[in-house]
Amino acid sequence: GENVEQHPSTLSVQEGDSAVIKCTYSDSASNYFPWYKQELGKGPQLIIDIRSNVGEKKDQRIAVTLNKTAKHFSLHITETQPEDSAVYFCAASFNYGGSQGNLIFGKGTKLSVKP
Amino acid sequence: SAVISQKPSRDICQRGTSLTIQCQVDSQVTMMFWYRQQPGQSLTLIATANQGSEATYESGFVIDKFPISRPNLTFSTLTVSNMSPEDSSIYLCSVESGTDTQYFGPGTRLTVL
Repeated sequence: GENVEQHPSTLSVQEGDSAVIKCTYSDSASNYFPWYKQELGKGPQLIIDIRSNVGEKKDQRIAVTLNKTAKHFSLHITETQPEDSAVYFCAASFNYGGSQGNLIFGKGTKLSVKP
Repeated sequence: SAVISQKPSRDICQRGTSLTIQCQVDSQVTMMFWYRQQPGQSLTLIATANQGSEATYESGFVIDKFPISRPNLTFSTLTVSNMSPEDSSIYLCSVESGTDTQYFGPGTRLTVL
C-alpha cells in the first residue's frame, strides 16, 4: 500500500523567510496530493492541493510542486508570518472514477515562525 | 467547502464506558470518514461511512469497538466502546466534497481515565 514520508518533523524560521516541507510517496498510482494545516486545538484545514496532471500550483504565498518521476512533492511558503505557525500534513491518494481513495498522511511538520 | 460540526468538542470518560461522537455537515455528501489522531501523531483512518451501506473499516479497527451509523447524507456517529486510556485521542470526521477533496471537522478530544 501507499506510504508517505514527510520531512522535516520540525522547522523553525524567522518571520519573512521561506519554509519548505517535503514529502515522498511510494505508490506511483497516486494522483492527488493535498496539504493540510492544523492549528492547536483545531481540525486540519485544507490549504492547497495538486493533481498529477500538474507540476506546480500557487495560491498567494503558498505553492506546491510535484515531481511524478521522483515521487515527491513539496510545500513552499514564502514571506512567512507568525500565523503560519502550525503543524502541516501532506497526504496522497488515488482518485478513481470521480471518487477519492483513502488519504494516506505523512507524520506532520511542526512549523514555528519567530517574529 | 463543507461546514462540519462535531459534538462533543471534548470529553473526559471513565474506563469501560462508551462515548458517541456526532458529525453534522451543512450539505449532503456521499462519503464521510472517521479518523483517529493520537497525541502528537498523524491521522489514521478508522472507517469510511457511506449512507445506506455498512461502514468499511481499516485494518486494526473493528465494528465492535467503533460502531458507526450513517442514517442520512448529512449526519454520522462514531461510538468508542468499552474505552481504555489507550483510546485517548482526537477523533475527526471528514467529508468528501463534490470536487473530490476532503474537509475535516474540528475534532473531538477524548481523554479516558
